[in-house]
Amino acid sequence: DVKVTQSSRYLVKRTGEKVFLECVQDMDHENMFWYRQDPGLGLRLIYFSYDVKMKEKGDIPEGYSVSREKKERFSLILESASTNQTSMYLCASSLLAGFTDTQYFGPGTRLTVL
Amino acid sequence: AQSVTQLDSQVPVFEEAPVELRCNYSSSVSVYLFWYVQYPNQGLQLLLKYLSGSTLVKGINGFEAEFNKSQTSFHLRKPSVHISDTAEYFCAVSSTDTDKLIFGTGTRLQVFP
Repeated sequence: DVKVTQSSRYLVKRTGEKVFLECVQDMDHENMFWYRQDPGLGLRLIYFSYDVKMKEKGDIPEGYSVSREKKERFSLILESASTNQTSMYLCASSLLAGFTDTQYFGPGTRLTVL
Repeated sequence: AQSVTQLDSQVPVFEEAPVELRCNYSSSVSVYLFWYVQYPNQGLQLLLKYLSGSTLVKGINGFEAEFNKSQTSFHLRKPSVHISDTAEYFCAVSSTDTDKLIFGTGTRLQVFP
């Protein structure tokens, strides 16, 4: 089974802090994704990566950056956390390029910014 | 732009009753359709997907969905639900002209004993 793990289930940070959310997958998948999930809005794509050191903006990249130094690890960075970034963050990975392949999700990190 | 509409935000149902969760998408030349399920305090997992071929797609846990091109729908059905089916269900669509997977806003299925 594919396993996608996220470094924290719950995180509380203060406004202005730099926040790192880590995601690791163990199935040698090429593609990795970061989404945020908000009630009534579903999942929205923040960034994705098709390869090491490669990144592409999703629908809501503002206020976020990403890093993929190794194939199995994809980090989401909040440069200066704000209260409107309080949300559930989901990482996913897929084997094949594009958006037709099954995505495997981690359990999520619930981030609260005070 | 591609979009997905899940018409019901919540669906309450009694155990062993049938259920249908509705999903409509905006038209495109070629679409690929997915249903994901999110159990409480977990990430999403794939229930089923339609890429091509038979319009009736069977998934895990007894769920199935039918791709209806003329009505641009991909409704999810189960003939008899269990308490353990209580979860949030997301419909998602991608297409050959959209370089992303678009999720609906989700339907919370609550199964009562």
